Amino acid sequence: GQQVMQIPQYQHVQEGEDFTTYCNSSTTLSNIQWYKQRPGGHPVFLIQLVKSGEVKKQKRLTFQFGEAKKNSSLHITATQTTDVGTYFCAGYYSGAGSYQLTFGKGTKLSVIP
Amino acid sequence: ETGVTQTPRHLVMGMTNKKSLKCEQHLGHNAMYWYKQSAKKPLELMFVYSLEERVENNSVPSRFSPECPNSSHLFLHLHTLQPEDSALYLCASSEELEPTNTIYFGEGSWLTVV
Repeated sequence: GQQVMQIPQYQHVQEGEDFTTYCNSSTTLSNIQWYKQRPGGHPVFLIQLVKSGEVKKQKRLTFQFGEAKKNSSLHITATQTTDVGTYFCAGYYSGAGSYQLTFGKGTKLSVIP
Repeated sequence: ETGVTQTPRHLVMGMTNKKSLKCEQHLGHNAMYWYKQSAKKPLELMFVYSLEERVENNSVPSRFSPECPNSSHLFLHLHTLQPEDSALYLCASSEELEPTNTIYFGEGSWLTVV
């Protein structure tokens, strides 16, 4: 089946440092979504990318969709303790005939104050 | 408040028990989902319903039985589960069954099978 590979699995940063998580697919994605799950919480939608090469920003968060629509990244500038949680990417595959949003395993971010 | 409410939040059941998880969405959405989240695995889609009709069943064992009586309610009936079924079960909804729709998750039901 289709897989979305997400790295790294864990990331520990000092507060104020930057953080990046990457998602890669072997086949073209129709679109990609990013979710954040706080410890003990549930996934919450952050953003969706649809167009090739798209870049979107939300305050300190920058999301990118690759030109080939096979990879995506989330970059957080100057992390804060409120950024702690697990970040998931999730992609739809074109023409898969399925309603399945394929999730990556997530990157768990710890921020050391 | 997510707009998707799940009960119970925590459930401990024996392998011979029968129990049910309940989900209700207050968002007026037409699609509802059950996901399973276990340690070290990606979120796994179990079932998809659109307008109360099941449209996808991802090879889920028959000991899990979904029910969607209307577009606002979704149940997951549990019967003779195994310890490896212990996980967080997340209900979710979206406006329609479209790839670009946002998925809204409930807070989840933590299930422990003993």
